[in-house]
Amino acid sequence: NAGVTQTPKFRILKIGQSMTLQCTQDMNHNYMYWYRQDPGMGLKLIYYSVGAGITDKGEVPNGYNVSRSTTEDFPLRLELAAPSQTSVYFCASSYSGQGRDNEQFFGPGTRLTVL
Amino acid sequence: LAKTTQPISMDSYEGQEVNITCSHNNIATNDYITWYQQFPSQGPRFIIQGYKTKVTNEVASLFIPADRKSSTLSLPRVSLSDTAVYYCLVGSHSGNTPLVFGKGTRLSVIA
Repeated sequence: NAGVTQTPKFRILKIGQSMTLQCTQDMNHNYMYWYRQDPGMGLKLIYYSVGAGITDKGEVPNGYNVSRSTTEDFPLRLELAAPSQTSVYFCASSYSGQGRDNEQFFGPGTRLTVL
Repeated sequence: LAKTTQPISMDSYEGQEVNITCSHNNIATNDYITWYQQFPSQGPRFIIQGYKTKVTNEVASLFIPADRKSSTLSLPRVSLSDTAVYYCLVGSHSGNTPLVFGKGTRLSVIA
């Protein structure tokens, strides 16, 4: 199993550009999450999904959009990039939100810089 | 969701036991306590989870007093490779609300 994979690893965007961060998991997990982590800070939840076709906002959803058309994929879309979105983005997945099955498995992250 | 408070940073020498305490005064009856570890430039990874008393695995021990208003992650005989950020999360195992990561505790192990 590859686990959770993210692409790209690094990206530099100009202000106002758009991009999609890709996330795929091969563990047949129902739950998927997107976090951002600013330097020296903890993780903040952007969006999450409890299954295909279902998404919900986290703590910091403004400026982002997500979709979940399949169990495996959970792309994160930035429509109009702003310098405040410079961060490291982590995707994670878990089998469920309950009991021991809520253990989250994280991808390697995407380092995004907006100039 | 229960709010958690943990020290921002800790230093330790190699070979020592490290205890990181997390306060969660408004923990609910259905809430579990989960700890994650994050190395630099990596995503967090699960370490240990518990509900009450003591849980031990190959990596750490988790001590939870009877009132469950705090918990202590214990790392035995730390090495340089244990330098990381440790997050304490508290949340219910029912429903769909995800757990929330705080700022964590930055542990620096010194030779």
